[in-house]
Amino acid sequence: NAGVTQTPKFRVLKTGQSMTLLCAQDMNHEYMYWYRQDPGMGLRLIHYSVGEGTTAKGEVPDGYNVSRLKKQNFLLGLESAAPSQTSVYFCASSPNWGQVDSGANVLTFGAGSRLTVL
Amino acid sequence: AQSVAQPEDQVNVAEGNPLTVKCTYSVSGNPYLFWYVQYPNRGLQFLLKYITGDNLVKGSYGFEAEFNKSQTSFHLKKPSALVSDSALYFCAVRNYGGSQGNLIFGKGTKLSVKP
Repeated sequence: NAGVTQTPKFRVLKTGQSMTLLCAQDMNHEYMYWYRQDPGMGLRLIHYSVGEGTTAKGEVPDGYNVSRLKKQNFLLGLESAAPSQTSVYFCASSPNWGQVDSGANVLTFGAGSRLTVL
Repeated sequence: AQSVAQPEDQVNVAEGNPLTVKCTYSVSGNPYLFWYVQYPNRGLQFLLKYITGDNLVKGSYGFEAEFNKSQTSFHLKKPSALVSDSALYFCAVRNYGGSQGNLIFGKGTKLSVKP
């Protein structure tokens, strides 16, 4: 059982280039999230999805786009990368928060994708 | 607006001693509170949560947390620290703003346990 898998693990971009981070989960979770982690800032939510075909903005959505075409996949895109987007990106998934079981409300995280924009 | 604060950037403890990592919160509804741990170069791992019920919540690896409504705190504790507990610890609270189902994280506290 792989859990949450992120690809790529590392990437270096030049300013203005575009790229897509892929997140895949095999737990049949309804909800998926993209966070970025920066030193001294903790984790900040970029975008999230509460179901296939739906997305919503988080705390820091500017400069990013997302898509959830399949339930198991959540893609994070950078159309024109900027040095301020240098960060470690984490994908997470969870069951529907309305579920009544011990696993509800718990996020499972991927191992992270380290992105450097020069 | 919901928020969570971890007042200490770093906590240093000797192995075998009790440890406490502090967290305070502000929410507009019933508090859903969580602790996650991050080991170097890894994703976050769930430790424990408080949704309702007993104020003392027990979690993974011998950790526990005490929910205190009057002080709006949810401190993480362990009776006897291990060197292997050294990691980055995050407190989180459910975000009631907008659509349901996401967390607001604190900035993290680095726990260092020395032999």
